[in-house]
Amino acid sequence: DGGITQSPKYLFRKEGQNVTLSCEQNLNHDAMYWYRQDPGQGLRLIYYSQIVNDFQKGDIAEGYSVSREKKESFPLTVTSAQKNPTAFYLCASSRTAARETQYFGPGTRLLVL
Amino acid sequence: AQKVTQAQTEISVVEKEDVTLDCVYETRDTTYYLFWYKQPPSGELVFLIRRNSFDEQNEISGRYSWNFQKSTSSFNFTITASQVVDSAVYFCALSEAQGGSEKLVFGKGTKLTVNP
Repeated sequence: DGGITQSPKYLFRKEGQNVTLSCEQNLNHDAMYWYRQDPGQGLRLIYYSQIVNDFQKGDIAEGYSVSREKKESFPLTVTSAQKNPTAFYLCASSRTAARETQYFGPGTRLLVL
Repeated sequence: AQKVTQAQTEISVVEKEDVTLDCVYETRDTTYYLFWYKQPPSGELVFLIRRNSFDEQNEISGRYSWNFQKSTSSFNFTITASQVVDSAVYFCALSEAQGGSEKLVFGKGTKLTVNP
């Protein structure tokens, strides 16, 4: 089955801790994205990557970091600099970055203890 | 700036009613794409449709239909004979060209509740 997987489904972060959210796709897509969703809000773009070893900041990149060492993987680290990390995080991928449909993973809900 | 407005925050209907979800967008691009996604309670966004700015034909897929009108910058979504399984949050999105790549701008979503 082709698709996008995200883990864990729920993640708890303590104050001052960095946590990493996993995103893997086996669709052979070049582009991958991370979004943040807050209650009652649309999705906001955190980071995106058009190709391996390349990524760009989205609209709300502060307090987050990413890497793209492999085509199928795009992990997101929520650093201690992100003061309000509680949200639902969605990963997506598309065949290329140019106007292609983005397909989404099941999401990770991050909660702060 | 490009943006997407979904004025209906929540809609509640009774099963078998028809319901239309509104989407109005703003863009300066002459070529753009519009999307609808469904987010059921499980949280995953499910792709429903992608439409480019040059194709104004309405689209029908089963009980779903979409009405694209460039003159009013609208891309409305109608569910005919709604069912309880249609209960979800629906997002409209617009592709935006930035730095040689595209990104999606999402509306805030419309929560649809279909009651039995």
